[in-house]
Amino acid sequence: EVQLVESGGGLVQPGGSLRLSCAVSGFTFSSYWMNWIRQAPGKGLEWVANIKQDGSEKYYVDSVKGRFTISRDNAKNSLYLQINSLRAEDTAVYYCARENNDWSDAFDIWGQGTMVTVSS
Amino acid sequence: QSVLTQPPSVSGAPGQRVTISCTGSSSNIGAGYDVHWYQQLPGTAPKLLIYGNSNRPSGVPDRFSGSKSGTSASLAITGLQAEDEADYYCQSYDTSLSGVFGGGTKLTVL
Repeated sequence: EVQLVESGGGLVQPGGSLRLSCAVSGFTFSSYWMNWIRQAPGKGLEWVANIKQDGSEKYYVDSVKGRFTISRDNAKNSLYLQINSLRAEDTAVYYCARENNDWSDAFDIWGQGTMVTVSS
Repeated sequence: QSVLTQPPSVSGAPGQRVTISCTGSSSNIGAGYDVHWYQQLPGTAPKLLIYGNSNRPSGVPDRFSGSKSGTSASLAITGLQAEDEADYYCQSYDTSLSGVFGGGTKLTVL
């Protein structure tokens, strides 16, 4: 079964850090670009970052550049998001998603999400 | 403020047809990037509904269809059913190779 399972979310103080993980199973992880997408409470979806199959290319939304780092470990079938200098506006559910290059780069598989709450 | 513009809400009675628009610019949809649509039921993760402007993944009913023209795209739902009540998002890419989403449209089935 194709599955993405996020973990690592929680309550953190402003200025703090977290490392989110996304465990992948059911497909060849190393063959796909992977993405992080977030959704603030009651708000819409916001694309955060993506990473190429071999990790050689990474792109970020402007609001997280310099604070967030996307990475992957193909041997462990895992995607990561290191989030530093957290702000209240980073509070959101964070989803990992597979980017399907055969389907015009659509996000065809999503995880269930992990909640990050930034509050003192 | 989302990069792609969608109406905040649409509604229709069971059996009717509704459309949801998605307006971009020359930096994203108009630059030739395809548009994708996602359905998000309450409390769940988004699900891919339409990819590559007008293609349906296996399992998505043919009541859902998509189109693209110029800097805009649209999602049409025919034969509206109660279970279609959800939030719908369009998505594309821009020339900086970043993903971009619409603000989402809440569909209410009357």
